[in-house]
Amino acid sequence: GAGVSQSPRYKVAKRGQDVALRCDPISGHVSLFWYQQALGQGPEFLTYFQNEAQLDKSGLPSDRFFAERPEGSVSTLKIQRTQQEDSAVYLCASRALNTGELFFGEGSRLTVL
Amino acid sequence: DQQVKQNSPSLSVQEGRISILNCDYTNSMFDYFLWYKKYPAEGPTFLISISSIKDKNEDGRFTVFLNKSAKHLSLHIVPSQPGDSAVYFCAASEWGTGNQFYFGTGTSLTVIP
Repeated sequence: GAGVSQSPRYKVAKRGQDVALRCDPISGHVSLFWYQQALGQGPEFLTYFQNEAQLDKSGLPSDRFFAERPEGSVSTLKIQRTQQEDSAVYLCASRALNTGELFFGEGSRLTVL
Repeated sequence: DQQVKQNSPSLSVQEGRISILNCDYTNSMFDYFLWYKKYPAEGPTFLISISSIKDKNEDGRFTVFLNKSAKHLSLHIVPSQPGDSAVYFCAASEWGTGNQFYFGTGTSLTVIP
């Protein structure tokens, strides 16, 4: 597709469940970012990939959060043993190398009950 | 600690008038700034950017102004249209050295017909 695609759009999980969120970036975009957006807040950085290399994971809030991009294209954000505070919209964005703006997907809204 | 701040959570403007959205930042190393627009249940979409070598960038009805000494930027929309009603986020980064984009908390703009 032409844009960044994320799935699922909506996910409801019981506390303690594991979830996996998928991001399909714009074809050819080298850089991929994950952001977390809580209600009423701006997006907050989680992690960054350049191709398959995870160059920055300083924003991941705990070791329950794990991201991968094994072939340098599709990425998965995995949250283990979900907690209520994990409820947020998870945004994926991609960017061509050495360009400015990020192109965002529509986000995956996670609700943990 | 919030490095990018949007102190006005909301703004209402009459159609045809100017909308001015403000953003302040604290990190003097930031040299690249962007504005994003977000409709409900959609991801942020890129609007306009400015690098620190400029103090103004214009694209149609949208103009971004940067005041480096005050660490302040603003987005002007003129004339405002009802379709401009959305949440606007400003974002900042260090071009070339950092890959984190820091976002403000957003300003919800309502353009009244």
